[in-house]
Amino acid sequence: NAGVMQNPRHLVRRRGQEARLRCSPMKGHSHVYWYRQLPEEGLKFMVYLQKENIIDESGMPKERFSAEFPKEGPSILRIQQVVRGDSAAYFCASSRTGGDFGGYTFGSGTRLTVV
Amino acid sequence: AQTVTQSQPEMSVQEAETVTLSCTYDTSESDYYLFWYKQPPSRQMILVIRQEAYKQQNATENRFSVNFQKAAKSFSLKISDSQLGDAAMYFCAYLSGSQGNLIFGKGTKLSVKP
Repeated sequence: NAGVMQNPRHLVRRRGQEARLRCSPMKGHSHVYWYRQLPEEGLKFMVYLQKENIIDESGMPKERFSAEFPKEGPSILRIQQVVRGDSAAYFCASSRTGGDFGGYTFGSGTRLTVV
Repeated sequence: AQTVTQSQPEMSVQEAETVTLSCTYDTSESDYYLFWYKQPPSRQMILVIRQEAYKQQNATENRFSVNFQKAAKSFSLKISDSQLGDAAMYFCAYLSGSQGNLIFGKGTKLSVKP
């Protein structure tokens, strides 16, 4: 019974390249949330998705960032033309229903380094 | 907008002693949930304890308990009989009853001295 799986664990990109971060939710979970953690900071909400739908993207930067959760396969967080300020740990969480008051299950995160 | 404040960037406790981590929040909602998450060096976010705002009784999970003061909007975490494995970052988080995303504080780094 695997938990939330994120890959890659570490990702290094040069400025201007694209970064693709993947998240496979727990079995039976159809709601996915992406968070970003800057150094010495707490996690900041980015986007909430259900299968094939974006429910809330109020935390997503307006440009260069996009997310999807297709009918088949993992959720993808895509960052185009990365800049040094995008360097952070990106976490994915999943839940069985929206607003799961039991608490979400988090993945181990992807640490993105932009050089 | 809701906010979560953790006023202690770092705390230290002797092994087997008790430590309390502070958390305050600001909200105009009456329906919400509060959580404490632990983040060890492995970066994994681990749920420690949760509290429903409508419940007056403080939540407990083994050595972990909370002091939930709804009127004061305070949600502190008490760790009893501290162990070396408790050393980690601890994050307080708020979940609205009407929205799906967690709002986190900046965290408290807990060190446990042998």
